[in-house]
Amino acid sequence: SYDLTQPPSVSVSPGQTATITCSGEKLGDKYISWYQQKPGQSPVLVIYQDIKRPSGIPERFSGSKSGNAAALTISGTQAMDEADYYCQAWDSNTHVFGTGTKVTVL
Amino acid sequence: EVQLVESGGGLVQPGGSLRLSCAASGFTFSSYALSWVRRAPGKGLEWVSLISSRDGMIYYADSVRGRFTISRDNSKNTLYLQMNRLRAEDTAQYYCAKEIHYDSIGHAFNVWGPGTTVTVSS
Repeated sequence: SYDLTQPPSVSVSPGQTATITCSGEKLGDKYISWYQQKPGQSPVLVIYQDIKRPSGIPERFSGSKSGNAAALTISGTQAMDEADYYCQAWDSNTHVFGTGTKVTVL
Repeated sequence: EVQLVESGGGLVQPGGSLRLSCAASGFTFSSYALSWVRRAPGKGLEWVSLISSRDGMIYYADSVRGRFTISRDNSKNTLYLQMNRLRAEDTAQYYCAKEIHYDSIGHAFNVWGPGTTVTVSS
């Protein structure tokens, strides 16, 4: 089965930049999406097709990819950005989610 | 407004069955692939199953293949998940989710329902 690996946690001070990584084999051949999930809420799509931002998602969220690693960057992090974040890809006719990263805004 | 609303969750004994439903509104239901995704307590998101928009392609995660069946009724704008031989590890919040692109699969989920809770316990 295909695996996407993320760091379990990332801590960031308000106003600073948080970067969440996602690694997997042949990631360069796949589109990566990113989701934000807050406690008790449904996931929200924040980035798709590596770098595209859905309407309504703040510009401080951006995506990038290089080689076998993708990244979600939150610039000027706000307290409301504290949440779990998941990357996701399509492989062998399955959607695969990353292991998830808890972002804490200190 | 584009909306998905799940129902049918509850408490069931190991080995039992449940049927989840997901009612859709605000978009052309028949034109989009749909998936079920779950999140178990203390765990991350896990994709469960997908059904395509028109050609009936269906895919399952290894963890549920042979026990769960996904289906859709385009006349009722409703997605279903029949869950049989349930196990404790199937306990989770179950979400239905819509693919972002028309008549396409394998990209991203741009609409999610609020979820329905399934608890498998004796």
